[in-house]
Amino acid sequence: GDSVTQMEGPVTLSEEAFLTINCTYTATGYPSLFWYVQYPGEGLQLLLKATKADDKGSNKGFEATYRKETTSFHLEKGSVQVSDSAVYFCALTPQRGADGLTFGKGTHLIIQP
Amino acid sequence: EPEVTQTPSHQVTQMGQEVILRCVPISNHLYFYWYRQILGQKVEFLVSFYNNEISEKSEIFDDQFSVERPDGSNFTLKIRSTKLEDSAMYFCASNGQGRETQYFGPGTRLLVL
Repeated sequence: GDSVTQMEGPVTLSEEAFLTINCTYTATGYPSLFWYVQYPGEGLQLLLKATKADDKGSNKGFEATYRKETTSFHLEKGSVQVSDSAVYFCALTPQRGADGLTFGKGTHLIIQP
Repeated sequence: EPEVTQTPSHQVTQMGQEVILRCVPISNHLYFYWYRQILGQKVEFLVSFYNNEISEKSEIFDDQFSVERPDGSNFTLKIRSTKLEDSAMYFCASNGQGRETQYFGPGTRLLVL
């Protein structure tokens, strides 16, 4: 079945550091790919998405590119802020049939001032 | 901006009791979902609902669970006889079409004692 693998956390960085959170997936066809963010005590918010190969999703300085050849959707940000501290989830929906999201385990990001 | 709402935010119940978790999806959305997140674990898909019937369910969604759209606005998840392992955060989500971005509510934290 479909699966999402993302780097385990916590990931601790200093403010203004460069961020990469790796995400790879297994799915048939061309799934849609998402990054969701969960701030402390809150629900899941869509951060960005990409629906086809080579698409780049971006939002709030975060970017991720849909790489079909490496089945990856790594999340990057050039300069993180303390307010970016949260749990980040990579997720997919398959191309056909089932429409429930398959999530990765989440990566806890901690940004220190 | 329209949002998904959920009630209650927290619920504590005794093992074996029935609970009903409530969600109000975004008003013009047609697809509705329930997910759960056991503390410290990944978000897991439970069920999707469209056109007044279940369109997909995971293996977690056994006979103890049921969903209903009792009126034009609410979408409910019922657990008939709660078990300790049902303790989790339950998220409702909705979207306008299957495989589009799903918008999540803030969640209901369920604790079964």
